[in-house]
Amino acid sequence: GAGVSQSPRYKVAKRGQDVALRCDPISGHVSLFWYQQALGQGPEFLTYFQNEAQLDKSGLPSDRFFAERPEGSVSTLKIQRTQQEDSAVYLCASSLAVTNNQPQHFGDGTRLSIL
Amino acid sequence: ELKVEQNPLFLSMQEGKNYTIYCNYSTTSDRLYWYRQDPGKSLESLFVLLSNGAVKQEGRLMASLDTKARLSTLHITAAVHDLSATYFCAVLTTSGTYKYIFGTGTRLKVLA
Repeated sequence: GAGVSQSPRYKVAKRGQDVALRCDPISGHVSLFWYQQALGQGPEFLTYFQNEAQLDKSGLPSDRFFAERPEGSVSTLKIQRTQQEDSAVYLCASSLAVTNNQPQHFGDGTRLSIL
Repeated sequence: ELKVEQNPLFLSMQEGKNYTIYCNYSTTSDRLYWYRQDPGKSLESLFVLLSNGAVKQEGRLMASLDTKARLSTLHITAAVHDLSATYFCAVLTTSGTYKYIFGTGTRLKVLA
């Protein structure tokens, strides 16, 4: 079946521009996570949704980062007034539910480059 | 703050050799995950370890969990080139909310 889909795969933006990254989780998956992965590092937690509720956004680096999942399926991560340090791969992962012990399924990520 | 540390960070080994990657974490958790990531690709789940003493094996990889020592190991037996990748462990923390904390990764290169 279809896995987690992220778009775009690559995004180049000038510093100061706003960007929006999309995540289509596996159908029926309740839990959705966003991560930021810098080159040579492990994924860093950004935010967690359970259905449409954003239960934890403690990993968002600043108030320029905003995530939503209004209907409990597709999620969007928005970064306003981008800065060079925002350059990274942004990964989305989903699972049926965090409590069912199954691993997360990851998308291929969006590689964001800020010039 | 929960920390997850892996060692070694880099590992270059000959085909046919055995080696172990270590994952230490700093707080109580009974769920540990191992993932593989190929260059430019996303993360692929390898193992889910749910209890103290859990051991799982798939092909040349075997993972174990010691929750008392807060330690998981990923053992590679008779390495082959196809195992070259970066391996991450991740711990689920449930204090307050659910959050997966990943280690820094071990970049494995198997030389022919």
